[in-house]
Amino acid sequence: AQSVTQLDSQVPVFEEAPVELRCNYSSSVSVYLFWYVQYPNQGLQLLLKYLSGSTLVKGINGFEAEFNKSQTSFHLRKPSVHISDTAEYFCAVMYSSASKIIFGSGTRLSIRP
Amino acid sequence: ETGVTQSPTHLIKTRGQQVTLRCSSQSGHNTVSWYQQALGQGPQFIFQYYREEENGRGNFPPRFSGLQFPNYSSELNVNALELDDSALYLCASSRTGTGGTEAFFGQGTRLTVV
Repeated sequence: AQSVTQLDSQVPVFEEAPVELRCNYSSSVSVYLFWYVQYPNQGLQLLLKYLSGSTLVKGINGFEAEFNKSQTSFHLRKPSVHISDTAEYFCAVMYSSASKIIFGSGTRLSIRP
Repeated sequence: ETGVTQSPTHLIKTRGQQVTLRCSSQSGHNTVSWYQQALGQGPQFIFQYYREEENGRGNFPPRFSGLQFPNYSSELNVNALELDDSALYLCASSRTGTGGTEAFFGQGTRLTVV
């Protein structure tokens, strides 16, 4: 079955510390992978996406993610977080270019001063 | 901002009523998808419209229906509302035919069924 698993429902981290949000997807020949951020009472904003090519993808707000085909993972990282990064983060996958987006259940990132 | 606008932003309905939610897609986008996001969960795909036809549907009952208009805007209709329909409803527009690999989301409509 097509699915996305976000292994952590909540990740607390201190300000200026590094963070990694984990994501695994069910394997397929081709996938398109995304990370979206959702601030309170708002819609979804695209952070970054992997379509093909380089496995290290850089996005907005200093985030980056690495596509690992052998481990079917697409973990999101940031070397130093800020209070403003407090939000819900969703990993998502498309199995073809015109298909639906399948979302994970989300990871709530909370930043402690 | 993405250029995708949804209306209304908030809505309260009574169980059994019907509701219509609206979405204006981003300029140049011809595909609209609707998602339901229950509290504490990730968005779930309801259906997608392309060229005014339904082009894929998730695991939602027939009382969830939609329309797409010639200007690519869209409506989501839900009949016989149930308490579990309370959720944030998100609309996403994209441009099928060029990969369609980036969807832009609106701010959502928060529906509360009482």
